[in-house]
Amino acid sequence: DVKVTQSSRYLVKRTGEKVFLECVQDMDHENMFWYRQDPGLGLRLIYFSYDVKMKEKGDIPEGYSVSREKKERFSLILESASTNQTSMYLCASSRPGTSFYEQYFGPGTRLTVT
Amino acid sequence: EDKVVQSPLSLVVHEGDTVTLNCSYEVTNFRSLLWYKQEKKAPTFLFMLTSSGIEKKSGRLSSILDKKELFSILNITATQTGDSAIYLCALEGRDDKIIFGKGTRLHILP
Repeated sequence: DVKVTQSSRYLVKRTGEKVFLECVQDMDHENMFWYRQDPGLGLRLIYFSYDVKMKEKGDIPEGYSVSREKKERFSLILESASTNQTSMYLCASSRPGTSFYEQYFGPGTRLTVT
Repeated sequence: EDKVVQSPLSLVVHEGDTVTLNCSYEVTNFRSLLWYKQEKKAPTFLFMLTSSGIEKKSGRLSSILDKKELFSILNITATQTGDSAIYLCALEGRDDKIIFGKGTRLHILP
């Protein structure tokens, strides 16, 4: 079974701090994604990557950057955290050779910026 | 272990048919159940259900939650080819965990 893990379940950071969220998948997936989800709203795509060292902006990339140095790992970076980045962050990956659409999600990281 | 199971895994029907997608769960004490439609990179939010027995409707789509029997269904009437997508069910737990089902891949034939 596919496993997508995220480094932390909960994080509390201060405004202005640099924050790293890590995501690791164990099934050799080429595609990886970072989303944020806010209460009652849908998922909004921040960034995605379809190969090592490749990245594409999603719908809300402002204030975020990403790193994909290894195939299994996709990191989301908040350069200078702000309170409006308090959210649930979800990582996902999808199988190689298929569409983007069959995504497997990690358990989420709840980030609070104070 | 908390679990969300969707069925069927895939479904092929003709345009105009009605489909029912199922989501059953083994999750204690959750905040809401969410349905998404996934066509492109980001799933599109469809419904949020929190109360048992209250149907939510949006055009040809409707959904209902049964907390006693631990399931939800998503109905699509008069299907169109544009309804072809993966439909995801997710539970938003009170412990801030979100658990997704594997999705139902729906294909509508013209």
